[in-house]
Amino acid sequence: DQQVKQNSPSLSVQEGRISILNCDYTNSMFDYFLWYKKYPAEGPTFLISISSIKDKNEDGRFTVFLNKSAKHLSLHIVPSQPGDSAVYFCAASGVQAGSYQLTFGKGTKLSVIP
Amino acid sequence: NAGVTQTPKFQVLKTGQSMTLQCAQDMNHNSMYWYRQDPGMGLRLIYYSASEGTTDKGEVPNGYNVSRLNKREFSLRLESAAPSQTSVYFCASIWTASNQPQHFGDGTRLSIL
Repeated sequence: DQQVKQNSPSLSVQEGRISILNCDYTNSMFDYFLWYKKYPAEGPTFLISISSIKDKNEDGRFTVFLNKSAKHLSLHIVPSQPGDSAVYFCAASGVQAGSYQLTFGKGTKLSVIP
Repeated sequence: NAGVTQTPKFQVLKTGQSMTLQCAQDMNHNSMYWYRQDPGMGLRLIYYSASEGTTDKGEVPNGYNVSRLNKREFSLRLESAAPSQTSVYFCASIWTASNQPQHFGDGTRLSIL
C-alpha cells in the first residue's frame, strides 16, 4: 500500500511558466516532508522541505505548500527553467519501527521546454 | 568535498554470484541507509544503520545483508544474486536519524543476468 503518492508520472511546462508538482500521503504520523530532485546517473539531491506545523515554505523559485487536512503537498517552481528538467521525488518522514525513515513517492519527471 | 561515495558505479553479475556494494561518507554522520530504485518506482529502503554498531531491516530486506564497518562505511551484500535484484542502489547518510534531509551518493547500477 503506497503511503506517498505522486499520481503524475510526467509534466511538461514552458520555460518561464509555473510548474506545479503534487503529492498525496496517507499516514497521519508523517510530520516532515521533503522534495528531492534527481538528474540521470546522479543521486537524489535535497531541494526543499516543510514541517507539519507549517503550511508554506519558500526558497527562491521553489515553494512547497502543505495541506494537512487533505494530506496533500505541492511544489511550485516559478519561473521554470530548462535546468529544472529532472525527476522530482516527494518524501515523507516519520518514526517507523522505532526510527526515523523516509518514504518516497514514485517521482514526477518534469520537462521544461525552452 | 566527496560527501557520500559509492563503489562500484556499474556492475554486471550472473545469477547466483555474490557481490558487496560499498558506501563511505566523510561528513561524520551517524546514520546510514541503503535504498533501491526500480523503473517507475520510488526509492525503497533495504536496510539502515541508525548508529555505528546497529543495523535494522527496512521495507525490502530479503536477499540482502549489511555491515556497518565503522562510522564512515556501510556495505550491502548480495549473497546469491537474482535477476529481481537488478536495480540502482543508493546509499544515504544523515547526522542522526531525525526529520532532516538525507544526503545521497550517486548510486550503483547493478544488472543480474
